[in-house]
Order: sequence, then C-alpha cells, then structure tokens
Amino acid sequence: GAVVSQHPSRVICKSGTSVKIECRSLDFQATTMFWYRQFPKQSLMLMATSNEGSKATYEQGVEKDKFLINHASLTLSTLTVTSAHPEDSSFYICSAPALDSLISSTDTQYFGPGTRLTVL
Amino acid sequence: AQKVTQAQTEISVVEKEDVTLDCVYETRDTTYYLFWYKQPPSGELVFLIRRNSFDEQNEISGRYSWNFQKSTSSFNFTITASQVVDSAVYFCALSGGLSSGSARQLTFGSGTQLTVLP
Repeated sequence: GAVVSQHPSRVICKSGTSVKIECRSLDFQATTMFWYRQFPKQSLMLMATSNEGSKATYEQGVEKDKFLINHASLTLSTLTVTSAHPEDSSFYICSAPALDSLISSTDTQYFGPGTRLTVL
Repeated sequence: AQKVTQAQTEISVVEKEDVTLDCVYETRDTTYYLFWYKQPPSGELVFLIRRNSFDEQNEISGRYSWNFQKSTSSFNFTITASQVVDSAVYFCALSGGLSSGSARQLTFGSGTQLTVLP
C-alpha cells in the first residue's frame, strides 16, 4: 500500500511558540491531503482539507489563522500550529488518498503515523 | 450530513473467542464507501478494508470478516479466534462517492476499544 510519513512524531513545546508538522506522501502524489486531530480516547475529527496550489478548506470551528496549512507540492503538506496553548495538545494525523490503480476512479486514504503535540 | 455510530465503546474478550464490532452509518449519498481502520497503541491508523456501497458481498480475509447490510445501514466486523495482538481501537468510517460533496472526506465513528485477554 501507499506510504504516508509525518514529522516529527512527537513534539513538546512551550506555550506561545509555533510548531510545524510535515506530512509527506512517499510513493505517490496527492493533490489533496487531510488533517485530523484526535484527543485522548476520542475519535478523529477532520480539521481541514489541504489542496495543492490553493487555499486549504477548514471545517467549522477550526481557526484557520491558528492552524496554518500549506500544500507546497504534490507530496508535501504542512500544518503549523501558531501560538500554541495547552489546549492544542493533541494527536495530529494526516492522510492522503491514493488511487487504487492507474485506471481506477476510486481511492483509499492512507494515514501518517501521527504527531503527538504537547504544549506546556 | 454523514454519521457513523459505533455503539460499543469497549469490548473485552478472552483469546480465541470470536468478537463482532458493530458499525451503523447514515448518509444521503447514493454512492459511498465504508472503511475499517485499526489503531494500535502506537497511534498509527492501519487500513483494513474498504467496501463500496454497490457491492454487498461479504468479505473474508484470514481471521477477519465483514458483513455489509445496506438494508440496515450496517457494516459489522468480526474477528474469529481473537489474539492478544488484535487489541486496539477499531474505527469504522464513511466517505461519499467522488461525485458527491463529501468525496474522500472520512467521517469516523467514535471507535471501539477491543481488549483481548490471554
């Protein structure tokens, strides 16, 4: 299957600092990537859709000025948590859809390993 | 709006028992896709299966099997002869077809924590 990587896997930062998380599709190109947030013992909540070459689409209730998304290339999307606060501590996961085959019109989403953010 | 319900928050079984994880979904899309993902303690989501709405055939993969019932909007997952390594959180998810506004966006259920005891 397709491989998606995330970096860093774990980050601890002080309140007020900014943190950048990278999501890469390693063996396929992705014009669209998704960013999810998962609080402990809860489900994944979609934060935003990252679009290569255009602005990200944010879900209702997600502050776009706080969670900056840049889809710089067909294999890289970055999420920057600006002025992080303790309530931003969470597990952030990205995903990218990969076509099931060269002639397929359907795809499957593959997830990165996640980034655990702790804001002190 | 799409919705996925996993009513079982936690399930504990003893090794070698069979266990079924329930998933009920709601969607207005005529074409949609259902998924199951496994999330072990490491946190990484592992893709298990995708099922298209127009294909109601049940599927078996080793000890895993899936029962898709469109009439009841359910997509249940059974693990036969469970093993300790099966312990994880299992998520059921739904996405719309590519022609719908919700294409590719996954709506997740709340997850079921499965614990398999030795």
